[in-house]
Amino acid sequence: GESVGLHLPTLSVQEGDNSIINCAYSNSASDYFIWYKQESGKGPQFIIDIRSNMDKRQGQRVTVLLNKTVKHLSLQIAATQPGDSAVYFCAENTQGGKLIFGQGTELSVKP
Amino acid sequence: EAQVTQNPRYLITVTGKKLTVTCSQNMNHEYMSWYRQDPGLGLRQIYYSMNVEVTDKGDVPEGYKVSRKEKRNFPLILESPSPNQTSLYFCASTSHPGGTEAFFGQGTRLTVV
Repeated sequence: GESVGLHLPTLSVQEGDNSIINCAYSNSASDYFIWYKQESGKGPQFIIDIRSNMDKRQGQRVTVLLNKTVKHLSLQIAATQPGDSAVYFCAENTQGGKLIFGQGTELSVKP
Repeated sequence: EAQVTQNPRYLITVTGKKLTVTCSQNMNHEYMSWYRQDPGLGLRQIYYSMNVEVTDKGDVPEGYKVSRKEKRNFPLILESPSPNQTSLYFCASTSHPGGTEAFFGQGTRLTVV
């Protein structure tokens, strides 16, 4: 069935280093793949999305890469800061607008 | 300020006592949905609504009801709560079905004893 999953449940990085969070998906029919950030005690917050016909998209300090050949999605965060500590979810949207979320990766930034 | 507001933030109730969690958005969004978040299971969709008077089941609808009488409000109703409905609940809205930027509420931590 459809699923969106993450390779690693936790990731610890040093402040200032780059972070890479990975995600595997199984449904090839989605139009968009999306990354959300959830800080402790808050709801998920949209970070960036990428259309399925693209392989890279850049935002402010973040880059999303999509490899449709191996059904892999990644989020790169440049110069990781303490404020980036959160749980990161990949998601895909389906026909009808449903978002399917992965299980999440917890990013911990060490000062 | 664009926001999705849920109430209450925390709720402890007893098995079988009907409860409603309210959700309201001020962005005139068409699409609204409810999720529950459980450790190890991520976010799972309970119900969604594409517009007023249009609702449909998500992945885990059993034990829940919703209504969409007005565009801005999308309450979640538990007619007879059970302990397995103890969870963290999120309401979300998107400008239209298929939109990727969902706005989430602050969450409602529900405990059913």
